[in-house]
Amino acid sequence: GAGVSQSPRYKVAKRGQDVALRCDPISGHVSLFWYQQALGQGPEFLTYFQNEAQLDKSGLPSDRFFAERPEGSVSTLKIQRTQQEDSAVYLCASSTRNSPLHFGNGTRLTVT
Amino acid sequence: RKEVEQDPGPFNVPEGATVAFNCTYSNSASQSFFWYRQDCRKEPKLLMSVYSSGNEDGRFTAQLNRASQYISLLIRDSKLSDSATYLCVVNWRGGGADGLTFGKGTHLIIQP
Repeated sequence: GAGVSQSPRYKVAKRGQDVALRCDPISGHVSLFWYQQALGQGPEFLTYFQNEAQLDKSGLPSDRFFAERPEGSVSTLKIQRTQQEDSAVYLCASSTRNSPLHFGNGTRLTVT
Repeated sequence: RKEVEQDPGPFNVPEGATVAFNCTYSNSASQSFFWYRQDCRKEPKLLMSVYSSGNEDGRFTAQLNRASQYISLLIRDSKLSDSATYLCVVNWRGGGADGLTFGKGTHLIIQP
C-alpha cells in the first residue's frame, strides 16, 4: 500500500523493558513526525525529521525517548526503561512540502 | 508549543441536524489551520483545510476568524457516519507540517 506503515500494531511491555517502534513513511515524503496520543487526548508532538536530520525533538518527554531516521526513510522510536505513563498510542506521520500530514495507524503501547 | 482549545463534548445530535463547534488558538502568528477527523481507535485523517475566506466541502463548512483567533466547523444534514472526534489543528510555523499543534478534539455522536 501507499500509506504510512507502523509496526507493531500493539505492544505490551513490562515496566523497565526497552521497546522499539517502527515507522515506514510514504515513499518520497521528506518530513516525518512522531506523536504520542493518550486516551481521550489529541496527538502530542514528540519529534520531527526532515530527511535524516532530526530538526525538532522538543516534545520528547524524557531522555528515555530516542528517535532516529538514519537513511532518511524508515524511522524508529525507542523508549528505554518503559514506565506506566508511557502507555499510549504512538502515531507516525509523513508529509511533503506544504502538504498535510498522512498518519499511520499507530502503535498501541501498554506498559504493565 | 502554543495552545489550541476545543470543547471536548460529547455533542449528541440527531441525524439530519446541523451542528457546529469552534476551536480557539492562542498564537496570533498562526498561519494555517485544519480540521482532522479521528474515528475510534483509528488514526487522524485530514477532513479539510481552513482558508481565510472560509471554505465549503459538501456538507462541511469551515470558517476562520483571525481577529478573535478561532476556527469553526459546521456540519449540515448530519449523518450517522459523521460520528467521530474532530481535531482542530493549527500551524504556527508556516505552510509546512512542522509546527502543527493539535487540540484535544471534540467528540460528536450522531443519533438515529
